[in-house]
Amino acid sequence: DSGVTQTPKHLITATGQRVTLRCSPRSGDLSVYWYQQSLDQGLQFLIQYYNGEERAKGNILERFSAQQFPDLHSELNLSSLELGDSALYFCASSPRGGQGETQYFGPGTRLLVL
Amino acid sequence: QKEVEQDPGPLSVPEGAIVSLNCTYSNSAFQYFMWYRQYSRKGPELLMYTYSSGNKEDGRFTAQVDKSSKYISLFIRDSQPSDSATYLCAMRTTGGSYIPTFGRGTSLIVHP
Repeated sequence: DSGVTQTPKHLITATGQRVTLRCSPRSGDLSVYWYQQSLDQGLQFLIQYYNGEERAKGNILERFSAQQFPDLHSELNLSSLELGDSALYFCASSPRGGQGETQYFGPGTRLLVL
Repeated sequence: QKEVEQDPGPLSVPEGAIVSLNCTYSNSAFQYFMWYRQYSRKGPELLMYTYSSGNKEDGRFTAQVDKSSKYISLFIRDSQPSDSATYLCAMRTTGGSYIPTFGRGTSLIVHP
């Protein structure tokens, strides 16, 4: 168990809908990362937060947004969902998001868009 | 061409075999190289972390980096059925955002 928790574990929804994925980092970690994993694209970095502020942005669509709250948990919001958004979404955390730090991954949220 | 290439497999081997997993990359600025293991329905977990070229050994696992060929390898000795998982390579540069670029992962099956 990495200490990173994600809810829900599974999510089934329809195209055009909006969902929110939640992540709680390991105790003491200030940095949170979101990744999308699909069979054809592999693990793709979406966005990173550090202590409530956005620190780095990857291949995140405009329909997706995220935030990190004062208690350090993070939420990833996915809107106007398309079939292609079906994937595993992982959250990871690290102490400060700096060089040499290990990222600890949560168990993921499996999203299915029908 | 993707920055990091990794054969998805699956790679099926008998218990006790030596396993070789590999990645190639195109960005010569990559300096940090990592291997993650991901069991089914779980998140990736860091196995090995190396800087620049050379070998690093940890128990049954050896990570090897050849920067001149832009090629990295993970060797697993005396493979066990519990090693059955997907292995992802990842790498990053020294500066910037410290976010690694991942390979697609190789599925390994070790059968008894």
